[in-house]
Amino acid sequence: AQKVTQVQTEISVVEKEDVTLDCVYETRDTTYYLFWYKQPPSGELVFLIRRNSFDEQNEISGRYSWNFQKSTSSFNFTITASQVVDSAVYFCALKGGQGGKLIFGQGTELSVKP
Amino acid sequence: GAVVSQHPSWVICKSGTSVKIECRSLDFQATTMFWYRQFPKQSLMLMATSNEGSKATYEQGVEKDKFLINHASLTLSTLTVTSAHPEDSSFYICSAELGNYGYTFGSGTRLTVV
Repeated sequence: AQKVTQVQTEISVVEKEDVTLDCVYETRDTTYYLFWYKQPPSGELVFLIRRNSFDEQNEISGRYSWNFQKSTSSFNFTITASQVVDSAVYFCALKGGQGGKLIFGQGTELSVKP
Repeated sequence: GAVVSQHPSWVICKSGTSVKIECRSLDFQATTMFWYRQFPKQSLMLMATSNEGSKATYEQGVEKDKFLINHASLTLSTLTVTSAHPEDSSFYICSAELGNYGYTFGSGTRLTVV
């Protein structure tokens, strides 16, 4: 069975603080894909990153960075110098190998206050 | 590229009536589309997977006679909520699978049944 767990339901920070959103996953597949999406109040899902299971390199994109640790089955997301516009719900998602479905974690609601 | 247009963005209907939600792939052919439901403050739950020209595959616990899915062409998938009740009020989102295990999502439909 596949599962994605985001234990942080809500996080509140003050602007310019760094914040890390945790994601832990479970899968028996050797090939799988991990995703992060942002869902602002409008509801539309915004794609942030996709990572396959064979690529453990961390990635940085502007203020965003991702730490993929296969040994701990984690794919954490860090926002550096957070801004009010970062306020949203963030979902971690997992797709297993051939024919696998995309399943989502519970989501973390991030609130960045000025 | 790879845009999915979802309509309507919101709809209010009376209890007992049916509502149709459309998802169109604008610049690509979507062989497989997914339908998700999201209740307030909750995650996206996969309802069904639709493949063009064949019957949809429903997730456990989703009533196929209530949530009718039609994927008659490579650019259009529809979800019809039949005999809607207040408990069906939710945010419905469609998604199309792209190559290399990427996904593109519609902007969602907020359904309110009164």
